[in-house]
Amino acid sequence: GEDVEQSLFLSVREGDSSVINCTYTDSSSTYLYWYKQEPGAGLQLLTYIFSNMDMKQDQRLTVLLNKKDKHLSLRIADTQTGDSAIYFCAEASYNAGNMLTFGGGTRLMVKP
Amino acid sequence: DTAVSQTPKYLVTQMGNDKSIKCEQNLGHDTMYWYKQDSKKFLKIMFSYNNKELIINETVPNRFSPKSPDKAHLNLHINSLELGDSAVYFCASSLAGQLRDSGGYTFGSGTRLTVV
Repeated sequence: GEDVEQSLFLSVREGDSSVINCTYTDSSSTYLYWYKQEPGAGLQLLTYIFSNMDMKQDQRLTVLLNKKDKHLSLRIADTQTGDSAIYFCAEASYNAGNMLTFGGGTRLMVKP
Repeated sequence: DTAVSQTPKYLVTQMGNDKSIKCEQNLGHDTMYWYKQDSKKFLKIMFSYNNKELIINETVPNRFSPKSPDKAHLNLHINSLELGDSAVYFCASSLAGQLRDSGGYTFGSGTRLTVV
């Protein structure tokens, strides 16, 4: 079945860039997403990329997609303490009826 | 004017009880979902439902059943609760076939279920 993997933890200093990585296995993925979850809250959609794109930029966020290697990354420029949260990548694929399959989440800690 | 709302936010109950969690969306979406988030924050799809089709994750015990009185509601009913059912349950909705325009799913804020 589909599998989405992320590293568990990332720690950066305020002002630095953060790069959160994700790998997936389903070659029929159509869209790939990044969600943010703050403590005690639901999931907030940050950005998404269509599988025929290799890059998308949205203010401080840059998404890179390497479809050949099935690797997705989220770069946060000028990371702030308010960016501390869990970040989930997710894929939607035809094989799964366009249901989202999530990675295990990466906990980002931003130190002042 | 919350887009996807779940009630209750917290639910503490004893083993063996039957409970329901309600979900409502006012986005005009046609597909709704239930996800379970365990203590390690891993999110797993439980159900996907629109007015045509219910898709069940085969790993979900049949003690869990979704009930949809109309397109805007998808409630989750759980029979004979067990300790392992303790988790945060998220409802979500989307417009089927328009993931690109809708940008994926809209999630509720979650229901934290604790079984004691």
